[in-house]
Amino acid sequence: GAGVSQTPSNKVTEKGKYVELRCDPISGHTALYWYRQSLGQGPEFLIYFQGTGAADDSGLPNDRFFAVRPEGSVSTLKIQRTERGDSAVYLCASSFGQGFDEQFFGPGTRLTVL
Amino acid sequence: GDSVTQMEGPVTLSEEAFLTINCTYTATGYPSLFWYVQYPGEGLQLLLKATKADDKGSNKGFEATYRKETTSFHLEKGSVQVSDSAVYFCALSASGGSYIPTFGRGTSLIVHP
Repeated sequence: GAGVSQTPSNKVTEKGKYVELRCDPISGHTALYWYRQSLGQGPEFLIYFQGTGAADDSGLPNDRFFAVRPEGSVSTLKIQRTERGDSAVYLCASSFGQGFDEQFFGPGTRLTVL
Repeated sequence: GDSVTQMEGPVTLSEEAFLTINCTYTATGYPSLFWYVQYPGEGLQLLLKATKADDKGSNKGFEATYRKETTSFHLEKGSVQVSDSAVYFCALSASGGSYIPTFGRGTSLIVHP
């Protein structure tokens, strides 16, 4: 079956612009996670959805970052007024259960803010 | 807070060489420990895990033993292949089945034929 997919694979934008990153989880997975991986670093947790609601958004760095999952499947990470420091690979993962080791990761979206 | 420290890469080896990638951690309680692998263009994949002290995780010829006394979880493989070239991440999650992991920075492994 299909794994977690993310689009676009690469996104280049200018400072100050708005971007949306999409994640399609594995069918039937109720939990969805977003991570950010900066250059030379490991992934850092951003937000966790259980169904349609954000169960934990403690990792979002500031209010320019927002994520939605309106129908409990596809999720969109939205970044307003992008800054150069937002450049990173944004990873999405989904799972059926809640344990970390049950998460399946997508290939990521590489965001570059010029 | 929790942290994971990995040896810096890249690690460059010839095929059939022995591999060790060091990982140490700082955490309260009794975390679970993991190694993830990321092949070029692919998502992170769970390679192996250990949930308590002295447990040994193993998969695809890779092994790692949870050493609480040294707070370590070093990854080893007796004979690497070119296809093992990837980035390897050590990670922990807090006890109790936490879904929020702490990752190390990753170690790039390059295996030459």
